[in-house]
Amino acid sequence: QSVLTQPPSVSGAPGQRVTISCTGSSSNIGASYDVHWYQQLPGTAPKLLIYGNNIRPSGVPDRFSGSKSGTSASLAITGLQTEDEANYYCQSYDISLSGSYVFGTGTKVTVL
Amino acid sequence: QVQLQESGPGLVKPSQTLSLNCIVSGGSISSSDYYWNWVRQPAGKGLEWIGRIYTSGTTKYNPSLKGRVSISVDTSKNQFSLELSSVTAADTAVYYCVRGILVLTGGMRFDPWGQGSLVTVSS
Repeated sequence: QSVLTQPPSVSGAPGQRVTISCTGSSSNIGASYDVHWYQQLPGTAPKLLIYGNNIRPSGVPDRFSGSKSGTSASLAITGLQTEDEANYYCQSYDISLSGSYVFGTGTKVTVL
Repeated sequence: QVQLQESGPGLVKPSQTLSLNCIVSGGSISSSDYYWNWVRQPAGKGLEWIGRIYTSGTTKYNPSLKGRVSISVDTSKNQFSLELSSVTAADTAVYYCVRGILVLTGGMRFDPWGQGSLVTVSS
């Protein structure tokens, strides 16, 4: 069971802006643990997209951005492109139950 | 550039032990900067962290796996391994080995990931 909740799906036309929320609690995001985001293209392994709440690894386009506030975080994709159609997962650390690294429920982004 | 590659049986019988290896290339598993993790993903579902190991052999596991998991490291072969005992159909998933980088404020980010190994539990 994921302790980080994401919307199952979001969609947008090419060029539009979409956002994905990641809702946690006081034992994970709200406890000031960083949020990281991963992109999983169909049939492939996840790839680190954003780390440390809002830092893009080298090679990740600047149309991807992250933010965090309180017990939630968000991933924004501006200028949506067809190749952005994928599943996206947030991830953090949870101090309950002896501590564990936790992932969000995942969001499918569809480019209309 | 570090690469990770999983290997192991694709089919395991119920109640038996699932075993997978992960070979690390392009970097040393003995580096003090990283932890080595296993993450799994049932078909069509989300990601679940299984556990991690440090080069020293120190481990941390997901409490939800209730003592069924063991991760070991072989620095001479630059690889680490996963064992999951008493498997059931619910353990059928793609298993990924992943390098973990500790974050100063706590937690860990995962990068890079292996390509994944599908393990099916069935008689």
